[in-house]
Parts: sequence; structure tokens; C-alpha cells
Amino acid sequence: EVQLVESGGGLVQPGGSLRLSCAASGFTLSTYWMTWVRQAPGKGLEWVANIKQDGSEKYYVGSVKGRFTISRDNAKNSLYLQMNSLRAEDTALYYCTRASAAVAGDYWGQGALVSVSS
Amino acid sequence: QSALTQPASVSGSPGQSITISCTGTSSDIGGYNYVSWYQQHPGKAPKLMIFDVSARPSGVSNRFSGSKSGITASLTISGLQAEDEADYYCCSYTTSDTYVFGIGTKVTVL
Repeated sequence: EVQLVESGGGLVQPGGSLRLSCAASGFTLSTYWMTWVRQAPGKGLEWVANIKQDGSEKYYVGSVKGRFTISRDNAKNSLYLQMNSLRAEDTALYYCTRASAAVAGDYWGQGALVSVSS
Repeated sequence: QSALTQPASVSGSPGQSITISCTGTSSDIGGYNYVSWYQQHPGKAPKLMIFDVSARPSGVSNRFSGSKSGITASLTISGLQAEDEADYYCCSYTTSDTYVFGIGTKVTVL
């Protein structure tokens, strides 16, 4: 059974940093693109970033470029999102998803909540 | 990249069919046959319902179907049931090697 479990969320002040992790199981992580998608409270879904199987290609939504970094450790079956210079508008539930053949997410975790507030 | 345009809400009675539209541009929906649809119940993670415009993942009811014409994709739910009440989001691959979601549509079963 495919499982994705996010961790690392919490409350952080504007300008601060946070690192999200996603533990993957039930499939071979090294054979899939992986993605982060976020959802602000009461709002819709927003694609944030994705990373190729070997980490050689990474893409970001414009609003996080230069501030967020997606990475992975296939040996540890883990996906990460390093978030720096956080802003109030980054407050959201962050989902880790397994991407598949031009599909943003065929399996989703339950999400990690990030709150940016002073 | 602007969000894809969806109606804010669509409603129908049990047994009826409803269609949700999703309009983009030539840089996303119009450029690829890579449109997917997600169902999200309150407090739950999204679930993939349709991919590659019209394909259904294993386990998804055949009451859900997808199509595309030009820069507009559509999701049709036939034989509407109470459990179909949820938010629905379209998503498209883009020419920037990124993805863009729609603004979401709330489906109400009357």
C-alpha cells in the first residue's frame, strides 16, 4: 500500500525557515517524480514544486522561486521541502504527492500544516 | 501562471448528470492532453479521479468521465449520488514544465 506521511510543520515567524519531510513507503521512490502541493485555509490547491527521480530536475511555482528548495533522498525513502524567508501567504497545509506521467499527484499524504505569523 | 477557471459551484439532484468546466490557455490545457481531476471531501486529502483528460484510475467509478476541447476540459458525473458532494479541482501540465490547478468547484447534491 502506498503511504506518504508528512512531518515538520508548525508555527514560524515571518522571515523564518522550516523544513518539511515526507516519508514514502509501499513503492520504489527512486522511480517516481515527487511533488509538493499546498492549500491555504479555506482556499484551493496550489502546485508548489516537483523533482525528478534522480533529483536532476526541479521546478517551482513563481511565488516560491529562490525561497523554497525541493530535494529527495531515495536511499532514505524521503522527500523534503526547505522553506526560507517565509511569508504570511505561505500559510497552508502542504501535501506530499507521488507524481506519475504528467499527473501532479496520484497518491497524496494527509498534509503538514505550516503557519506563518508573528 | 494563473489558476484555471472553474465555476464556483454546481448542483444537481440524485440520479442526474452534472458537468464541471475548466478553462485554461494554449500554454496548459490547450497544449497537452495532460488534464487531471481531483475530488476533495472536507478535511480530507484530494483523490485522483481522472488523468490524461479521460482515463480513470483503478477503483474510480465509471460514473466519472472527462473530456477536452481546445482550451476547455470538462468533468461529467452521471447518476449523481450523495457521496459525490465534494470540491473538485482540475489540473493541467504546462509549457513551463510545471502544473496549474483550477480554482475549484463545489458540487452540491440537492
